[in-house]
Amino acid sequence: GAVVSQHPSRVICKSGTSVKIECRSLDFQATTMFWYRQFPKQSLMLMATSNEGSKATYEQGVEKDKFLINHASLTLSTLTVTSAHPEDSSFYICSASAGKAEAFFGQGTRLTVV
Amino acid sequence: QKEVEQDPGPLSVPEGAIVSLNCTYSNSAFQYFMWYRQYSRKGPELLMYTYSSGNKEDGRFTAQVDKSSKYISLFIRDSQPSDSATYLCAMSAVIRIFGTGTRLKVLA
Repeated sequence: GAVVSQHPSRVICKSGTSVKIECRSLDFQATTMFWYRQFPKQSLMLMATSNEGSKATYEQGVEKDKFLINHASLTLSTLTVTSAHPEDSSFYICSASAGKAEAFFGQGTRLTVV
Repeated sequence: QKEVEQDPGPLSVPEGAIVSLNCTYSNSAFQYFMWYRQYSRKGPELLMYTYSSGNKEDGRFTAQVDKSSKYISLFIRDSQPSDSATYLCAMSAVIRIFGTGTRLKVLA
């Protein structure tokens, strides 16, 4: 399958700081990227969908000013958690799609806000 | 009613058993049906996808879609301890919707 690289895999930050997570499609052009959040033993919760060159579409209840998404190119999308709080601690996963059924996932980023 | 329903498990089976994992859904617009496997603290990995109704086989895995019943299944033959993971179904018309995932434990 296609390769999607997510970085960093793990980050610990202080409350009030911002954290940027990168998602790269390494061997295909991702027209659409998805950002998910996953709490322990729960399923993926879609946060937002982004198409290259367009503003991201956020799911209901997701604060767009807190979770900034940039999809500047067909191979890179970033999620920035601004002014992070301990309740933002979670597993964040991106996936990238070239428009067909398959969506390939990154390895995930475990964010811990202390 | 949730759009996609999946039993969260855990489901424990002995090594070598045939495992059946299932999801039901309510939206008849779904056309693509996917199964993902997620190991602990890792991102999901696409196992199989099918378009519309029918069966698809890949090694020990068989995916089955019955659109008339709005029911999809993933069968794992000769299950191995390495198959122990959470299995998520997902379906897509425009937006991909995930099931909650079923935790599977294959006991050696």
